[in-house]
Amino acid sequence: QKEVEQDPGPLSVPEGAIVSLNCTYSNSAFQYFMWYRQYSRKGPELLMYTYSSGNKEDGRFTAQVDKSSKYISLFIRDSQPSDSATYLCAITDNTGNQFYFGTGTSLTVIP
Amino acid sequence: EAGVTQSPTHLIKTRGQQATLRCSPISGHTSVYWYQQALGLGLQFLLWYDEGEERNRGNFPPRFSGRQFPNYSSELNVNALELEDSALYLCASSLTLTSGSDEQYFGPGTRLTVT
Repeated sequence: QKEVEQDPGPLSVPEGAIVSLNCTYSNSAFQYFMWYRQYSRKGPELLMYTYSSGNKEDGRFTAQVDKSSKYISLFIRDSQPSDSATYLCAITDNTGNQFYFGTGTSLTVIP
Repeated sequence: EAGVTQSPTHLIKTRGQQATLRCSPISGHTSVYWYQQALGLGLQFLLWYDEGEERNRGNFPPRFSGRQFPNYSSELNVNALELEDSALYLCASSLTLTSGSDEQYFGPGTRLTVT
């Protein structure tokens, strides 16, 4: 079983829609959860970082962690065409020895 | 504040040659990570350097190696290149890991093409 599973999509939504991106993980020792956005031909950029269960909000983005279900989500409100990118989830344990990444979900927001 | 920088942007090599990729971390960051992003495979962890030492390596053959210099910049070397080494190689940096985990910040990557 892979450490992190992420639906690769692709996901296509109209502008203004609410987008839900999800990952599941296998090891309950994982404590730190991140979401990255990667535009085509660019390196990933950190969007959200959280280490506890619950929600963390930053503008139109909300990261949600459910440790009991080993499930993490990223919600994008009022999606914009500029949100079109690949979104990767990443997790690590408290040693940070290795980061595990999902394969990424490709999102297209249609004007 | 300057971000993580990588060079070259693109690199074209033939099978059997050696490739050297370079990374400069964000100022103040002492940890450097290398990842391979091959088409359809997602990000695969290659190597982690911290304070000049190799701390961990992923499931890659020994022909993938690297080092970290006293100024914390890093070099990734790939020997005896194979066609399947063609990928985007990403470098990320973070603060030294002490009691917890720190976010990684990525560079733009080096696209290596092996023909």
